[in-house]
Amino acid sequence: NAGVTQTPKFQVLKTGQSMTLQCAQDMNHEYMSWYRQDPGMGLRLIHYSVGAGITDQGEVPNGYNVSRSTTEDFPLRLLSAAPSQTSVYFCASSYSRWGQGLENIQYFGAGTRLSVL
Amino acid sequence: AQSVSQHNHHVILSEAASLELGCNYSYGGTVNLFWYVQYPGQHLQLLLKYFSGDPLVKGIKGFEAEFIKSKFSFNLRKPSVQWSDTAEYFCAVSSSNTGKLIFGQGTTLQVKP
Repeated sequence: NAGVTQTPKFQVLKTGQSMTLQCAQDMNHEYMSWYRQDPGMGLRLIHYSVGAGITDQGEVPNGYNVSRSTTEDFPLRLLSAAPSQTSVYFCASSYSRWGQGLENIQYFGAGTRLSVL
Repeated sequence: AQSVSQHNHHVILSEAASLELGCNYSYGGTVNLFWYVQYPGQHLQLLLKYFSGDPLVKGIKGFEAEFIKSKFSFNLRKPSVQWSDTAEYFCAVSSSNTGKLIFGQGTTLQVKP
């Protein structure tokens, strides 16, 4: 298994440009999420999905769109990039299982470093 | 609203000192609790996790954490830190029903040799 794959690793955009950050997982996980990491603010949840065709907003969804047409892919779209979206973006996938209780196991991608000029 | 609060933003210790990083959460329902570490220039690694059972959990590299339900806390400890523990540490809470993970702001640990 490749795990969670994010592309690209680095990207520079100009203000107003659009782009899509790709995230794919080959573990058949039902849950997928996008986070952004900024200094002093930890990781903040942007959007998440509990299955194909189902998405919901996280803590900081403004300026980002997502869709989940397949279990494997969860792309994050920036329609009109702004300097405030300069950040490191992490995608995660997870599944829940019954162990001692209901356990959710998260797997993270390596991240995409985005700069918006 | 769900939230996670880490009390210490920046901690500086000498090698061999003991470490305790505080984490409190606000979350309704059954939770899973995690501590992640991010070494400089690297991505997140899972240190330890708590799902249920024994509230004292042991993780990698000599770290442990104690879940105190009555205090909504999940503090991270290590008896003797090393220079190689210099990193940023994140406490996180997830709902097992949604896979939604909420992080604290992070604590930067600097260990002086």
